Amino acid sequence: EAQVTQNPRYLITVTGKKLTVTCSQNMNHEYMSWYRQDPGLGLRQIYYSMNVEVTDKGDVPEGYKVSRKEKRNFPLILESPSPNQTSLYFCASSSGWEQYFGPGTRLTVT
Amino acid sequence: GQNIDQPTEMTATEGAIVQINCTYQTSGFNGLFWYQQHAGEAPTFLSYNVLDGLEEKGRFSSFLSRSKGYSYLLLKELQMKDSASYLCAVKKGNYGQNFVFGPGTRLSVLP
Repeated sequence: EAQVTQNPRYLITVTGKKLTVTCSQNMNHEYMSWYRQDPGLGLRQIYYSMNVEVTDKGDVPEGYKVSRKEKRNFPLILESPSPNQTSLYFCASSSGWEQYFGPGTRLTVT
Repeated sequence: GQNIDQPTEMTATEGAIVQINCTYQTSGFNGLFWYQQHAGEAPTFLSYNVLDGLEEKGRFSSFLSRSKGYSYLLLKELQMKDSASYLCAVKKGNYGQNFVFGPGTRLSVLP
């Protein structure tokens, strides 16, 4: 089954404790993205990747890092999480126009 | 700067037609996209427009006017399962994958 998977689905953590949210797709897509979704603000793009080792900033990259060492994986790293990074995070992949979204990761930073 | 506007909420009756508008001002344009998002779920792709005009896809149609910075999503023969949020998004660059999303329109379909 073609899909985008994210782990973990839910995470509660404390300020400053480094964390990684994994994203994997099995569709051999070149493009992958990370978004955060907050009430009233909609989806905002954090980072995107055009292919292996090619990444670029979206509109809200501060406080996040990404890497794309393999085509199928695109992890999101929060080196020192802060409460304002509490949000619902979506990973997406695409080979053209249509983006396929993962199920989401709900992160709470206390 | 960049800005995408959509109505926050809309209500319609089962079987009716509803039009959800989207206006945008972005630095760069390479397509206008519509996604559907049911509560608690991930967005799913509905349609996209790159050129001006109407794109029809079953009960859903999307229109684009690039000169006016305007798009709409038309949903016909509304069903209860169409109750969801509808997200308008602009792809900004020709070679990148930089997307800007609007805040979404929550549509409630009533019996």
